[in-house]
Amino acid sequence: RKEVEQDPGPFNVPEGATVAFNCTYSNSASQSFFWYRQDCRKEPKLLMSVYSSGNEDGRFTAQLNRASQYISLLIRDSKLSDSATYLCVLSYSSASKIIFGSGTRLSIRP
Amino acid sequence: EAGVVQSPRYKIIEKKQPVAFWCNPISGHNTLYWYLQNLGQGPELLIRYENEEAVDDSQLPKDRFSAERLKGVDSTLKIQPAELGDSAVYLCASSPGLRDGELFFGEGSRLTVL
Repeated sequence: RKEVEQDPGPFNVPEGATVAFNCTYSNSASQSFFWYRQDCRKEPKLLMSVYSSGNEDGRFTAQLNRASQYISLLIRDSKLSDSATYLCVLSYSSASKIIFGSGTRLSIRP
Repeated sequence: EAGVVQSPRYKIIEKKQPVAFWCNPISGHNTLYWYLQNLGQGPELLIRYENEEAVDDSQLPKDRFSAERLKGVDSTLKIQPAELGDSAVYLCASSPGLRDGELFFGEGSRLTVL
């Protein structure tokens, strides 16, 4: 089983819609969680960290559920510019490892 | 502030040839990573450096891949000899540490092995 699993998509939604996707992880020792965004043929960039209490950054909301071992990303009022691949990332501070998921492709249509 | 710089951006070689990629991390970032990314996949760690020390190279195929980070700044990743399956994007990233988990990536070096 992969350490990090994501639905590859693609999620194809109309502009203005709300979209959400999850990421599951297998190792409960995972300590920190992040969402990265990667545009086509570009490098990944940090979108937001994911905190246990949940956190929001504008139209983006991230949640962590340690009991069920998943994190989620919710995008409200989606824009065309949100089209990208969203990578779920976790780290183990004790082992100093950072693991990337395979990504979920999101396509926003006009 | 300059970001992570990688070169070359693109490289096309024939199988069995050698190839080398260069990375200049963000100034002051002690941690440097080399990742490999295949199409439709997430980045996979090849090697991580803390200053000049390779602290995690467990995923580096040592029969053909090598890396170095002299003086704890720039790094070079080499493949010799290259195989068809090595075609991928090689990403270099740096970070000031794992305090917040943010990695800063370069634009990557896209390798095509024919």
